[in-house]
Amino acid sequence: EAQLVESGGGLVQPGGSLRLSCAASGFSFHDYAMHWVRQTPEKGLEWVSGISWNNIHIGSDDSVRGRFSISRDNVKNSLYLQMNSLRAEDTALYYCTKDTTSSGISAFDLWGQGTMVTVSS
Amino acid sequence: DIQTTQSPSSLSASVGDRVTITCRTSQSISSYLHWYQQKPGKAPKLLISGASSLQSGVPPRFSGSGSGTDFTLTISSLQPEDSATYYCQETYSSPSFGQGTKLEI
Repeated sequence: EAQLVESGGGLVQPGGSLRLSCAASGFSFHDYAMHWVRQTPEKGLEWVSGISWNNIHIGSDDSVRGRFSISRDNVKNSLYLQMNSLRAEDTALYYCTKDTTSSGISAFDLWGQGTMVTVSS
Repeated sequence: DIQTTQSPSSLSASVGDRVTITCRTSQSISSYLHWYQQKPGKAPKLLISGASSLQSGVPPRFSGSGSGTDFTLTISSLQPEDSATYYCQETYSSPSFGQGTKLEI
């Protein structure tokens, strides 16, 4: 069964850093683009960043550009999100998602259970 | 940026009803529109991709239509398990989600 499992969330002070991880299993991870999506009650679902099957950065939302960095390791079947200079407005549940394509942005057909990030002093 | 507007924001319907949710974009996105269902405490689940392609395992009472700027998700005969929040998502440009439609049965 295809599965995504996120980890690495937690409480961090404003200005701090956090690295999220996502472990993929049950499908050919190296064949698909991957993304991070976050969700809050106030703003709903927001696309954060995406990466192609061969580690090419697809794009990032304006709100995180220059602060967050997406990467992947196709040997370890893992996706990462390095988050620096965190702000209170980055507080959200972060989902790892699988694209239906290899290098673009299309529908997200597999989601993890999410990992919570709280930015607060 | 493309703006994605979903309506209604909430609705209440009865088992067996036919329900339609609308998603409108600020500019034409061809068929780069997808629909998700999210139940409380769970991750979103892809229902329909490319405006009208039903995902494997999704009941055929769900259908999608539209192209350009106007799209609809229709549930032909509501079931109790369809109680959820539904989101549209455009992926023509930097992907964005609609605000969601909370459906109560």
